[in-house]
Amino acid sequence: GAVVSQHPSRVICKSGTSVKIECRSLDFQATTMFWYRQFPKQSLMLMATSNEGSKATYEQGVEKDKFLINHASLTLSTLTVTSAHPEDSSFYICSARRQNLGTDTQYFGPGTRLTVL
Amino acid sequence: QKEVEQDPGPLSVPEGAIVSLNCTYSNSAFQYFMWYRQYSRKGPELLMYTYSSGNKEDGRFTAQVDKSSKYISLFIRDSQPSDSATYLCALGGAGSYQLTFGKGTKLSVIP
Repeated sequence: GAVVSQHPSRVICKSGTSVKIECRSLDFQATTMFWYRQFPKQSLMLMATSNEGSKATYEQGVEKDKFLINHASLTLSTLTVTSAHPEDSSFYICSARRQNLGTDTQYFGPGTRLTVL
Repeated sequence: QKEVEQDPGPLSVPEGAIVSLNCTYSNSAFQYFMWYRQYSRKGPELLMYTYSSGNKEDGRFTAQVDKSSKYISLFIRDSQPSDSATYLCALGGAGSYQLTFGKGTKLSVIP
């Protein structure tokens, strides 16, 4: 299957600081990437859709000024959590859309666990 | 009615059992169907991708799609403790490239 990496896998930061999470598609080009958030024992919650070379599309209730997304290349999207607070502590997962030979699916990264103290 | 319904479980089975996981959906426009496996504190891993009604087999896993009933299933034969995870169904193609996920079923395979 396709490989998507995420970095860092775990980050602990102080309240008020900003944290950047990188998502890379390693063996295919992805014009579209997605950012999800997952709380313990809950399903994935789509935060935003990241399109290469254009502005991200945010889901309702997600603050675009707090969660900055940059998709500057076909293999890299970044999510920056600005002025993080304890309530931002969560598991953040990215995925990359792959269209190949009639299939259209998403491959997920391993996730980033953010803890804001 | 939610777009995708999936029993969250938990589902506990003995090692070697056949496991049946299911999702129902309401939007007939969905065109492709996936099953993901998610281990605790990890990202989801794509297990099966199907485009049409019928069965698709891959090793111990069989995905089944019944578009007329809007019902999809994942069967796991000879289940192993390493199969213990949360299984998410995901549907796509209904006028958007976004996927619609079920809430996931937590499976435990007991040795």
